Amino acid sequence: GQQVMQIPQYQHVQEGEDFTTYCNSSTTLSNIQWYKQRPGGHPVFLIQLVKSGEVKKQKRLTFQFGEAKKNSSLHITATQTTDVGTYFCAGTRGAGSYQLTFGKGTKLSVIP
Amino acid sequence: DTAVSQTPKYLVTQMGNDKSIKCEQNLGHDTMYWYKQDSKKFLKIMFSYNNKELIINETVPNRFSPKSPDKAHLNLHINSLELGDSAVYFCASSQWAGESNEQFFGPGTRLTVL
Repeated sequence: GQQVMQIPQYQHVQEGEDFTTYCNSSTTLSNIQWYKQRPGGHPVFLIQLVKSGEVKKQKRLTFQFGEAKKNSSLHITATQTTDVGTYFCAGTRGAGSYQLTFGKGTKLSVIP
Repeated sequence: DTAVSQTPKYLVTQMGNDKSIKCEQNLGHDTMYWYKQDSKKFLKIMFSYNNKELIINETVPNRFSPKSPDKAHLNLHINSLELGDSAVYFCASSQWAGESNEQFFGPGTRLTVL
């Protein structure tokens, strides 16, 4: 079945440092979504990428979708304590399958 | 106004009991989901309903039975609870069952089986 791998599992950064999490799929994806889950909270949708090579920005967050549509990354510039949480990527295989397969997430801790 | 709500928020029960979790969405969405998040934070799809019809039914013990009385509600009934069922269960909804749909998650139900 489709697998979505995400690394690293944990990342501790000093406030102001950059952070990147990577997502890789065993199969070509139709689209990829990113979610953020704050401690004790629920996943909240951040963004969706659909096109090969697509890059989208949300303030300090930059999302990329690989040319082959099998990998993606989320980069946060100058982390803040409000960025703390677990970031999940989730992919859809397409071809009639609309099931979202989640990566295991990257837990970000920001040291003030 | 809460978009996706779940009750109860916490559920502590003994092994062998039967329990239900309820979910309601007021977004007018056609599709609803149940996810299980284990202690390692892994999010796994369990079921999905589109307009009251089951469309995703992952490998889940048949002790778990979803029920969708209408497209705004998706409940989860669990029979003969086991220790391994302890987890956070999230309900979610999306506008429809297509590929390009963000999912809106409820606040979760933390189930503890003793």
